[in-house]
This record gives sequence, structure tokens and C-alpha cells, in this order.
Amino acid sequence: SQTIHQWPATLVQPVGSPLSLECTVEGTSNPNLYWYRQAAGRGLQLLFYSVGIGQISSEVPQNLSASRPQDRQFILSSKKLLLSDSGFYLCAWSGTGASSTDTQYFGPGTRLTVL
Amino acid sequence: LAKTTQPISMDSYEGQEVNITCSHNNIATNDYITWYQQFPSQGPRFIIQGYKTKVTNEVASLFIPADRKSSTLSLPRVSLSDTAVYYCLVGDNDGGFKTIFGAGTRLFVKA
Repeated sequence: SQTIHQWPATLVQPVGSPLSLECTVEGTSNPNLYWYRQAAGRGLQLLFYSVGIGQISSEVPQNLSASRPQDRQFILSSKKLLLSDSGFYLCAWSGTGASSTDTQYFGPGTRLTVL
Repeated sequence: LAKTTQPISMDSYEGQEVNITCSHNNIATNDYITWYQQFPSQGPRFIIQGYKTKVTNEVASLFIPADRKSSTLSLPRVSLSDTAVYYCLVGDNDGGFKTIFGAGTRLFVKA
């Protein structure tokens, strides 16, 4: 069966510090991968999606970046965090179908607080 | 881009049937409609997906009219544990892999 992992589970970082969040998927090959952010009490905002190694599409211009160094590894990074980067970060995967509404399976999330 | 509109919140009592409607006027011909459930501090999880008419599984039913410009998620006999946020999701008009989650509907089930 497929599983998706995210770490760390929680993170408290000062403004201006770097960030690295990691997501890995097991039990599937060539998944589509996604990074979302959710502010407190709000809906999900798609940040990045990837259809393959090294292929990253950004949805929202910001100080965050994403990389996919391996087929089942997705990394979210920042060189300098802002207060507005605080939120709940979710990684998700879906199968490699042609439909953009292929079911997405979400990880447990990372709660980031920037102080 | 296909956008969805849902009620911000709904209240219900245990044992009642709950219907949550989602509007998606710009849904594309090849798009499916998918509903997710999210509990606090967890990622959303898939509930049900459909293209037209009616779909039913062990937890919910999804009703989609012929014009597909809206859909209704039906939860039979809700319990306290059904208190969550429910998201309606449709595909991007431009195709590809972009997805848009709306604000969701916060369902609160009371005893």
C-alpha cells in the first residue's frame, strides 16, 4: 500500500531563517506531487506541483521554492522565512492520470510557526 | 479557472441527513467532481468522486444534475465524528494537474 510521510511534524523558526520541509512517498512510482499551505481557519492554497523529477510548477509567486531530486521525494524550501509563511504545510500525491481531479492523498502535514 | 462556491458553515444534529451543495459554473467537459473531508490538524481525505447523475459509496452520496454546474454531497445520519470541513474540488479548465480547493464548508454536528 502507498504511504506518504512528512517531516518535521512541527517547526518554530525565526524570521529570516531558512526552511526545508521534506515529503516522501512509498509504494508507488512516478506520482504527481503537490505542496499546499493552509493558514489558520482557511482553505488550502496550492503552492507547487510536480509531474516528474526536476519538473516543478509554481502556482503562487513567493519566497518559497520546491525541488524534486528523486521520484518520490519532494522538498519545500525557503532562504529567508517571513512571518506570513506561518501555516500548515501539506504534501500530497496522486496517480499519473491525465485528469486534474485524480484523487489526491495527503500527508500528515507540518505546522510551521515563524516568530 | 474553475471555481467552486460552498456555504461557509452548516450545523446539524446527530442522526440527521446533511446535504452540502457546491456550485461550479465553469466546470470543464472532462472534469470530475471530488469531495474531501478534513479534520483539524490533519490532511484532507477523499470521500467521493463523480462525473454525472448519482454516485454512492459506504460513507456518502453525490448528486450531480445534468448541467453539472453544481453538486450535492449527502451524508446520511451524521454523528459527532462527522464534524469537519468538507471541500468540493473540480479540475482546472486548462487541464493539466492544477487543482483548486475552495474555502470549504465547516460542518458542526451537535448532540
